[in-house]
Amino acid sequence: QKEVEQDPGPLSVPEGAIVSLNCTYSNSAFQYFMWYRQYSRKGPELLMYTYSSGNKEDGRFTAQVDKSSKYISLFIRDSQPSDSATYLCAMGASSNTGKLIFGQGTTLQVKP
Amino acid sequence: NAGVTQTPKFQVLKTGQSMTLQCAQDMNHEYMSWYRQDPGMGLRLIHYSVGAGITDQGEVPNGYNVSRSTTEDFPLRLLSAAPSQTSVYFCASRQDRATGGYTFGSGTRLTVV
Repeated sequence: QKEVEQDPGPLSVPEGAIVSLNCTYSNSAFQYFMWYRQYSRKGPELLMYTYSSGNKEDGRFTAQVDKSSKYISLFIRDSQPSDSATYLCAMGASSNTGKLIFGQGTTLQVKP
Repeated sequence: NAGVTQTPKFQVLKTGQSMTLQCAQDMNHEYMSWYRQDPGMGLRLIHYSVGAGITDQGEVPNGYNVSRSTTEDFPLRLLSAAPSQTSVYFCASRQDRATGGYTFGSGTRLTVV
């Protein structure tokens, strides 16, 4: 079993929809969680960084962490065609090591 | 501000050849990592470093070597290239444990024939 599981999709939604992307994990030592966006043939770019449980909002993006369920989510409100990309969750057990484990990535397409 | 710079962007190797993928960052980041990305596999950690002179293995280290003689540079060496090492390689850096996520380079597309 992988430490981090993420449904690869693809996920297709109409413009303006609310998108929910999710990851589950098995390592209870994970303490910090991130979401990256990756456009085709580009490097991943950091969208959200959260530490421990709870919600964090940044514009149209909300990251949610539920450590009791080992489950994290990224919500995108009012989705736009420019949001079409692959979204990768990532997490780490200790901020001292710098070792980050990624999910498989979910491909999202937002149709105009 | 260049961020994380990877060279070359594209490379074709023959089986058995060796080469070094270069990675440099100008942000004075302590933490650096190398990942490979394959279709359907996400990003897998090859090696990482928490500072100059300190490196450690990730999930898929076999066939790769790293060293960290300076804060800025973190080269990845392929000792004897194999077709299984055909992949996109990303280098990333992070300031320290109090800061957020890694900043990624634009990647090196490597094909081993």
